[in-house]
Amino acid sequence: SQTIHQWPATLVQPVGSPLSLECTVEGTSNPNLYWYRQAAGRGLQLLFYSVGIGQISSEVPQNLSASRPQDRQFILSSKKLLLSDSGFYLCAWSISQGLGAGELFFGEGSRLTVL
Amino acid sequence: AQSVTQLGSHVSVSEGALVLLRCNYSSSVPPYLFWYVQYPNQGLQLLLKYTSAATLVKGINGFEAEFKKSETSFHLTKPSAHMSDAAEYFCAVIMYSSASKIIFGSGTRLSIRP
Repeated sequence: SQTIHQWPATLVQPVGSPLSLECTVEGTSNPNLYWYRQAAGRGLQLLFYSVGIGQISSEVPQNLSASRPQDRQFILSSKKLLLSDSGFYLCAWSISQGLGAGELFFGEGSRLTVL
Repeated sequence: AQSVTQLGSHVSVSEGALVLLRCNYSSSVPPYLFWYVQYPNQGLQLLLKYTSAATLVKGINGFEAEFKKSETSFHLTKPSAHMSDAAEYFCAVIMYSSASKIIFGSGTRLSIRP
């Protein structure tokens, strides 16, 4: 069966420090991969999605970046964190085609607090 | 462009009462629509999805949603609320401009009164 792992679960970082959140999927090949952010009291904001290795679509211009160095690995990074980067970050995957496309499977999330 | 709007950021009902969470979509073609649930400090899980088959879609935990093209709506309902239904609920749509892009509504927090 497919599983998704996301870490770290909790992170407290000072302003200006770097960030790396990692997500890996097991049990499937060529998934679509997603990073969403959920700020306090707000909905889910799509940050990045990827349909293949090295293919990244960015939805919101900001100081975050994403990379997909391997088929089932998706990394969210920042060189210098801002206070506004605080939030709950969710990684998700879906199959890439067919009727199952669009059904997202989420990780447990990473709570980032920038101080 | 496709989008979804959830009316009401917070809905409170009594245990045993009807649950109705509203979602309206904007799309020039029949969309694929989804409802997800999020329990505190967890990721989201799929409740149900509409993919242009039956307009009444049944999901997990007794929830169902009806696709109404004339009203551009996909409201989520449950006949009798249970305390365990307290959570945040998100409506989502898949974008036809990019079949891999999935957009969520702003969410509705459901509270259940004893």
